[in-house]
Amino acid sequence: NAGVTQTPKFRILKIGQSMTLQCTQDMNHNYMYWYRQDPGMGLKLIYYSVGAGITDKGEVPNGYNVSRSTTEDFPLRLELAAPSQTSVYFCASRGAPGRMDGYTFGSGTRLTVV
Amino acid sequence: AQRVTQPEKLLSVFKGAPVELKCNYSYSGSPELFWYVQYSRQRLQLLLRHISRESIKGFTADLNKGETSFHLKKPFAQEEDSAMYYCALGSSGNTGKLIFGQGTTLQVKP
Repeated sequence: NAGVTQTPKFRILKIGQSMTLQCTQDMNHNYMYWYRQDPGMGLKLIYYSVGAGITDKGEVPNGYNVSRSTTEDFPLRLELAAPSQTSVYFCASRGAPGRMDGYTFGSGTRLTVV
Repeated sequence: AQRVTQPEKLLSVFKGAPVELKCNYSYSGSPELFWYVQYSRQRLQLLLRHISRESIKGFTADLNKGETSFHLKKPFAQEEDSAMYYCALGSSGNTGKLIFGQGTTLQVKP
């Protein structure tokens, strides 16, 4: 029973490099989310998806892209890494709004851009 | 605007002392509220949801609609309670998004 799995756990990128953060869930959840967590700033929503083929921007989408070709996977793409993208990234999923089930989170990816 | 406010960045108490982590929200209608806990460098875990009125690890939280609050309480803090605590509010509509407060670090001293 894996829940939400994120890879990699850690990554160091150079300015201008690109990478994809992987997120997969095995709970057949339609709703998936990407957040970044910065010290003292709480969690900021980057992108979200309400089902396969549907994505939308959150609060801080600039510099990121997502896709949702399957229910299970929701990768986050950084195209031209910048130091401001140094953060911890969390992926989350939930079954449906209003069911009071909340989110299930992945274990996070700690990204440093140098 | 829908918003969650956790006024304390850090709360430091001694072991055995009562704990109250504050959460205030702004929302029109019936809110969907949660508390999440994050132990050092781990994933966020669901601690409590307002609908279930349960007690987890000795923590409880009561929704006060008049004061728009959902404070987290524990009568006797333990050292293993030291963690970051986030209050979260379900946003309106069908996106399922949760709006998080800035978090409160609870430090329980021996």
